[in-house]
Amino acid sequence: AQTVTQSQPEMSVQEAETVTLSCTYDTSESDYYLFWYKQPPSRQMILVIRQEAYKQQNATENRFSVNFQKAAKSFSLKISDSQLGDAAMYFCAYRSTNSGNTPLVFGKGTRLSVIA
Amino acid sequence: SAVISQKPSRDICQRGTSLTIQCQVDSQVTMMFWYRQQPGQSLTLIATANQGSEATYESGFVIDKFPISRPNLTFSTLTVSNMSPEDSSIYLCSVALPRGPQHFGDGTRLSIL
Repeated sequence: AQTVTQSQPEMSVQEAETVTLSCTYDTSESDYYLFWYKQPPSRQMILVIRQEAYKQQNATENRFSVNFQKAAKSFSLKISDSQLGDAAMYFCAYRSTNSGNTPLVFGKGTRLSVIA
Repeated sequence: SAVISQKPSRDICQRGTSLTIQCQVDSQVTMMFWYRQQPGQSLTLIATANQGSEATYESGFVIDKFPISRPNLTFSTLTVSNMSPEDSSIYLCSVALPRGPQHFGDGTRLSIL
């Protein structure tokens, strides 16, 4: 079974600075998806960024980018120019592509605080 | 993408009662997923609901406690039965489009007194 590990329970960053959240995963599959979700206190699960394993290029979405290292099974999230609204729980998640619809496997999450 | 309407958004219930949570999707989907998020924790999959068949439950979750209905391709319900304070959590429904991300409802915050 696949597992996702987030080794940083909490992180903090100064406003306008850059922070990197770590994620590692374990799988024997070669094709899969990786995601970062943000959950603010409103409890909505918001998709931040996605990465398809067969793509070597790292995904980017505005201030958010990933460092995807397939061989190392590492998928870190970099937030640039941090804003107060970035404060939230961040979950790394894995999804298999072996069958049509498989559920996400989540890490335990990293709580990010942004200091003004 | 998919828009998911989940209700109620929150409820406070008495010990021993049951509550049914509804999840409506704006498009037809094969699978719907129900998650539980205990306070300060990550999301744990309760079950996968496939239209026209019984839901598949994860280890630690049973149908008698969390019965699920899936009457059509856009709707599902999760019932939390015989509630105790340990059931106080956020419950989220979710759908996954083929080769796409999972989309989530806004969640139901459940408190049991």
